[in-house]
Amino acid sequence: QKEVEQDPGPLSVPEGAIVSLNCTYSNSAFQYFMWYRQYSRKGPELLMYTYSSGNKEDGRFTAQVDKSSKYISLFIRDSQPSDSATYLCAMSAGVIQGAQKLVFGQGTRLTINP
Amino acid sequence: DGGITQSPKYLFRKEGQNVTLSCEQNLNHDAMYWYRQDPGQGLRLIYYSQIVNDFQKGDIAEGYSVSREKKESFPLTVTSAQKNPTAFYLCASRGEDMNTEAFFGQGTRLTVV
Repeated sequence: QKEVEQDPGPLSVPEGAIVSLNCTYSNSAFQYFMWYRQYSRKGPELLMYTYSSGNKEDGRFTAQVDKSSKYISLFIRDSQPSDSATYLCAMSAGVIQGAQKLVFGQGTRLTINP
Repeated sequence: DGGITQSPKYLFRKEGQNVTLSCEQNLNHDAMYWYRQDPGQGLRLIYYSQIVNDFQKGDIAEGYSVSREKKESFPLTVTSAQKNPTAFYLCASRGEDMNTEAFFGQGTRLTVV
């Protein structure tokens, strides 16, 4: 079983829809949770960063972390064609033995149709 | 502007050849990472380095080698021992503060011909 599971999609929704992207994980030591957006043939860029449980909102994006269920979500409101990309969740347990490692999900490919 | 630069963007390798992918950052970050990305598998960690002259194997280090002689540079060599090297390779760097994000380069797409 992978440490982080993410549905690879593809996911296709109409413009203006609310999008829900999710990841589950098995390592209870994870405390730092991130969502990255990756456009085709580009490097990932950080979208949202959350420490421990709770919600975080930034414009049209909301990240939720439920550590009791080992489940994180990213919601996109009023989705736009420019949101079409691959979304990667990533997690970290912090610094262990002097190193901090991110573990990534498989990425979900999202298409917003005009 | 500060950032992380990978080169080349596209690289073709013949069977049995070693190739080196370049990664340079001017963010003054101590930690640098190499990931491999394959369709449907997300990012997998190859090697990482927390400080100069020190590096650690990640989850899929076999067939790869790295060096960290300078803080700014973390080149990755894909050796002939790597059986399936065709992939998208991403380099990242990160500051010491746990609240800092990992910055990624734009990637190198390696194809074996």
